[in-house]
Amino acid sequence: ETGVTQTPRHLVMGMTNKKSLKCEQHLGHNAMYWYKQSAKKPLELMFVYSLEERVENNSVPSRFSPECPNSSHLFLHLHTLQPEDSALYLCASSQDGGSTYEQYFGPGTRLTVT
Amino acid sequence: LAKTTQPISMDSYEGQEVNITCSHNNIATNDYITWYQQFPSQGPRFIIQGYKTKVTNEVASLFIPADRKSSTLSLPRVSLSDTAVYYCLVALASGGSYIPTFGRGTSLIVHP
Repeated sequence: ETGVTQTPRHLVMGMTNKKSLKCEQHLGHNAMYWYKQSAKKPLELMFVYSLEERVENNSVPSRFSPECPNSSHLFLHLHTLQPEDSALYLCASSQDGGSTYEQYFGPGTRLTVT
Repeated sequence: LAKTTQPISMDSYEGQEVNITCSHNNIATNDYITWYQQFPSQGPRFIIQGYKTKVTNEVASLFIPADRKSSTLSLPRVSLSDTAVYYCLVALASGGSYIPTFGRGTSLIVHP
């Protein structure tokens, strides 16, 4: 595996379910990101981890809970989501945190909340 | 509210040069400007990055004026495969810190 991988690629969940999105980077980077991409809206930064510590969360609702156990893995735990949370969730990594560094994106997880 | 502004869409023809401008008034003084390309069902892909003046690589050029409040991505001689959405990414001042902020994206359609 090379680059940034995300699983699952598609996910359908009910509002009372609990699920997790997984991201793995094979690039030796120190920073990882979660973005939300909704139709007709810009990419929204949700969380940034640099050296496994969270540095940004941008006031994301608590029903989204990130976890970064090491510099290669990033999770997004989901619980009691709303239909408006349906979107493409993108993971990215970079050599270090901040927009100065080139970010490498995974293919995304298409989430549908029913 | 700090934000970036790009045209929503652009049309072009094969072989033409395309210029896409992004406005970013509250850009961080020490951060780079980066442009990404995104195809349907894929994550964005890095195209080019610069701090000031002009940067050129094998696929594009980036023009940045002295005040850095805007940037222009230039795609020379576009082909059908350049049909995609193009985003600028800058760090914008927000509430005492700088937040990496993507523009809303410009949907470029290249016609035969």
